[in-house]
This record gives sequence, structure tokens and C-alpha cells, in this order.
Amino acid sequence: AQSVTQLGSHVSVSEGALVLLRCNYSSSVPPYLFWYVQYPNQGLQLLLKYTSAATLVKGINGFEAEFKKSETSFHLTKPSAHMSDAAEYFCAVRFRDDMRFGAGTRLTVKP
Amino acid sequence: DSGVTQTPKHLITATGQRVTLRCSPRSGDLSVYWYQQSLDQGLQFLIQYYNGEERAKGNILERFSAQQFPDLHSELNLSSLELGDSALYFCASSVDPSNEQYFGPGTRLTVT
Repeated sequence: AQSVTQLGSHVSVSEGALVLLRCNYSSSVPPYLFWYVQYPNQGLQLLLKYTSAATLVKGINGFEAEFKKSETSFHLTKPSAHMSDAAEYFCAVRFRDDMRFGAGTRLTVKP
Repeated sequence: DSGVTQTPKHLITATGQRVTLRCSPRSGDLSVYWYQQSLDQGLQFLIQYYNGEERAKGNILERFSAQQFPDLHSELNLSSLELGDSALYFCASSVDPSNEQYFGPGTRLTVT
């Protein structure tokens, strides 16, 4: 059965530093992978998705993620954190019609 | 703005009561999903509908039920409410089950 694990429930970075949020998945077939962001008191917003067209996926707000099949990973990165990036980030994996979300990683950005 | 609307935004009710949460999907989306988000359980998938038919069930309690109407809007009914049902309830929609989901702003339910 497919599943998704986010490593680190809380990540703190300084403004301007690299953001790295980790996501590992388990799937018996090539998965569809997603990253969502949730700002305080809002719903989840799609950041980017991997659908096998390219291993490096670019999303909104300067985020990107790289699919690494050998490591079963789909880590989210941003070269330079901004205060407005503070939010909760969810990785999700879809197999056929079944969508599974990770537990989420709360990103804090320090001035 | 995702295009998914949910009403009401906030709901405060007492234990034992019944409430109905409403969701209107994005124009053209046939699939609707309901999720519960709480501090201790995280984001939990409840149920999915596609074009009026139930498609998948997740961790939905027997006290909860949902349906999708011919105009594609959906309602989530929560009955015999308990304190532990206090949470954010999200609706999401997609064109079909194989596409990405777009989330509404949520309904915050507080059971006192």
C-alpha cells in the first residue's frame, strides 16, 4: 500500500537561507506526488505536482521538488526563504484514486 | 481563491447536536472530497464522491454521513456530536479522481 512520510514535523530557517522539507513515499507503482501549503486559517493550496513528465518540478512561490526514484523521495526546496513562506507544508501521494497526505511540516522563518 | 466554497466558516454547537456542512466544488469539477483536520489526528480523509456516487471511504465515523447532489454540491452531516469532533473540516474538488485536488477554506467546528 502506498504511504508518505514527512521527516521533521517542524523546520526552522533564517530568512534568506535554503529551505529543505523532506518527503519519502512508498508505492508499488510510479506515483503521482504533490506538495501543498497551508497558511494560517486557510485551506491547502497546491504548490506543485509530479506526474512523471520531468523529475525536477517547479512550483509557485519559487519552490521546486525533485523526484528521486532510487531514494523514493520527493523533497521540497527553495533557495532563499522569505518570511511569507512560514506555513505548514504537506506532501501527498496518489495511487489511482487514493490520495494519502503526510503529517505535515511546519516551517518557521526567523528574521 | 481555489474556487471551492464552504459554508459556514465557523460553527459552534453543543454535544449531542447535529450539523450540516456545505461545499460547492469548482466549476467543472465532478469529484468532491471531505477531510477532517485536528491537532492530534492531522489531516484525515473522510469520504469521496464522483458525479453523485460515493467513490471511496476513509476514516469516517458512522455518526457522519455525506452526499453529493445532482448540481454537484456536497453536504457533510455530523450527528451526535462529541467534544472530539471539534476540528477543521475541509472540502476539496477535482475534475476527476485522477487529478489534483483544490481545497476550500474550511469550516471550523467547535463542539462545547
